[in-house]
Amino acid sequence: DAMVIQNPRYQVTQFGKPVTLSCSQTLNHNVMYWYQQKSSQAPKLLFHYYDKDFNNEADTPDNFQSRRPNTSFCFLDIRSPGLGDAAMYLCATSRDSASGPEGTQYFGPGTRLTVL
Amino acid sequence: QKEVEQDPGPLSVPEGAIVSLNCTYSNSAFQYFMWYRQYSRKGPELLMYTYSSGNKEDGRFTAQVDKSSKYISLFIRDSQPSDSATYLCAMSAGPAGFQKLVFGTGTRLLVSP
Repeated sequence: DAMVIQNPRYQVTQFGKPVTLSCSQTLNHNVMYWYQQKSSQAPKLLFHYYDKDFNNEADTPDNFQSRRPNTSFCFLDIRSPGLGDAAMYLCATSRDSASGPEGTQYFGPGTRLTVL
Repeated sequence: QKEVEQDPGPLSVPEGAIVSLNCTYSNSAFQYFMWYRQYSRKGPELLMYTYSSGNKEDGRFTAQVDKSSKYISLFIRDSQPSDSATYLCAMSAGPAGFQKLVFGTGTRLLVSP
């Protein structure tokens, strides 16, 4: 089945220790997104890639970076995680040429990040 | 004021009840309205998708959009324990492709057997 895969599902890191989260997709979608979701809060868009073009949200801290080496993979790098960065990180994809519900965003299962 | 307001719940109902979940929004540019279901420790999955005003039905689920009131609803008939999840409304001004989705905070639903 076509899907969005995130690894690892759970990640524990230490305060200030860089961490990388991974997302891959078999949907062949050209747009990929990273969201941060804290407990009982709405997902917050951090940035997205439209094909190779990177688009950062204005309020995304510099501590968060992303790479998209090819269509299928996207990475979220947190350079110096703080306690406030503990959250669920969601990857999503969409295809800009699709209309209706097929054009909406498909989410992965998320990576839960704990910062000690 | 948040762009999208949603009661966080939890909303507890007995099995078989009709559930009504709602969101209000302030941005009149929103035209595409979605409901996502999110089980605990999982990613959101698309449940319903509606363009502009009107109703859409899919099995036990009905989505309603009232753009004049800036109010959307999701109704669940004959609720089941497996419907226990958090329901997120989401909306966007643009169609397919890159759509900046604005989410509500989600309503946690608990359906007891």
